[in-house]
Amino acid sequence: DAGVIQSPRHEVTEMGQEVTLRCKPISGHDYLFWYRQTMMRGLELLIYFNNNVPIDDSGMPEDRFSAKMPNASFSTLKIQPSEPRDSAVYFCASGPPGLAGNEQFFGPGTRLTVL
Amino acid sequence: DQQVKQNSPSLSVQEGRISILNCDYTNSMFDYFLWYKKYPAEGPTFLISISSIKDKNEDGRFTVFLNKSAKHLSLHIVPSQPGDSAVYFCAAPGSSNTGKLIFGQGTTLQVKP
Repeated sequence: DAGVIQSPRHEVTEMGQEVTLRCKPISGHDYLFWYRQTMMRGLELLIYFNNNVPIDDSGMPEDRFSAKMPNASFSTLKIQPSEPRDSAVYFCASGPPGLAGNEQFFGPGTRLTVL
Repeated sequence: DQQVKQNSPSLSVQEGRISILNCDYTNSMFDYFLWYKKYPAEGPTFLISISSIKDKNEDGRFTVFLNKSAKHLSLHIVPSQPGDSAVYFCAAPGSSNTGKLIFGQGTTLQVKP
């Protein structure tokens, strides 16, 4: 079982550029979550999907952020244009149907640096 | 509004001693709590949970205690081992059956050999 896969693991870009982060959830999981981790705010939920449908995007900081889940095995988080304050580690997590025990399974994260 | 708070950013203990990590919450409707552990360059992994119908849950060296009246939970690690050095997050579901978890800021535990 491969677990949640995220790519790239590291991304360095310049301010104003578009950034796309990718996630492959665990097969059979129908929940997918995008989180951002910063020193100041800890782990923040940005958006989550259930059965490929966005359920709650209230954590998305602003219109520069967008997320899609075109199918059960792939999701993207896009930042356009990127800004230095977007620098953080972005995690994707997936959860099984019914979210038994509320447990979520996290990927290794993408460390984003915006110069 | 930080509904789940971990007020100690870091903790250092000696190997073999007890580690106690604390977490406070503000919403009395929370009925389930989880602890996650995170190593550098990895994602958080689930460690242990507790339902509000219990005041204690134990799994090996890890025990979580819940004090509902104080809106406080704690994670005890006994005995602490160097491999326990990690960041520990407590979390609560945002609302029933939504899948949304609200995380605390995290506490970095260092266990010294």
